[in-house]
Amino acid sequence: QKEVEQNSGPLSVPEGAIASLNCTYSDRGSQSFFWYRQYSGKSPELIMSIYSNGDKEDGRFTAQLNKASQYVSLLIRDSQPSDSATYLCALGGGTGRRALTFGSGTRLQVQP
Amino acid sequence: DAGVTQSPTHLIKTRGQHVTLRCSPISGHKSVSWYQQVLGQGPQFIFQYYEKEERGRGNFPDRFSARQFPNYSSELNVNALLLGDSALYLCASSPSPGTHNEQFFGPGTRLTVL
Repeated sequence: QKEVEQNSGPLSVPEGAIASLNCTYSDRGSQSFFWYRQYSGKSPELIMSIYSNGDKEDGRFTAQLNKASQYVSLLIRDSQPSDSATYLCALGGGTGRRALTFGSGTRLQVQP
Repeated sequence: DAGVTQSPTHLIKTRGQHVTLRCSPISGHKSVSWYQQVLGQGPQFIFQYYEKEERGRGNFPDRFSARQFPNYSSELNVNALLLGDSALYLCASSPSPGTHNEQFFGPGTRLTVL
C-alpha cells in the first residue's frame, strides 16, 4: 500500500464547475498536509496547507482534512481552464519522516 | 523577495559523468531539501540540510551527495550517472527543518542522461 494515494485522472470538469480532488494516506501519525499545483514542465507550487481537522478556505480553494478517515481533499470552485494542471498531495510529520511524502498527483482538465 | 533559485535549468550528460546542481533558498530560510521527480510521479526526497548539517537522507545510493554552505545555499552532486538518473531535480526551501513547515520549490533542474 502506498503511503499517499491519489487517483491519477484525468479528472475532467467544465468551466465554472467545482473540481474535487482526493487523497488518502496510510500513516496515522501524519500531522501536516499540503496541496501543490504543478503545470506541465514546471515545478510544484504550494497552494494550500492544512493541519487540523475540518475545512480551510483560501479564495476559490478549500482544503478538507479528516484524520479519522485518513483523507484530505481539495475543492476548486468556479474552475477555470488555467486550473488545468496536476495536483500533488503531500504529507509531513509521522513516523520517522524527515521530509514531505508526495502522492503521484491527479491531473485536472477544465474544459472551456 | 526572490524565490528559490536553481542552476542550471537544463543539463545533458552522458553515462558515467558527474553533475553538480545548485540552489539558493528564499532569503531568511535556513533549510534546504532536495527532491527527484521522474515523469508521472511525485517528488521523491533525497536530502535535507539545515545549518550546514544533514538532517535527513532518502533512499538514494551513495552516488548522491550534497552539502550546504554558510550562506544556506546548497549543492547536490551525483557521480557515475546512470540513464535512470534522468529527472527533474527540485530544491525546496523552508525556514527550518521539520515537515510542519511549508516548503517552497525552485524551478528545478532538468537532467537528461544519454
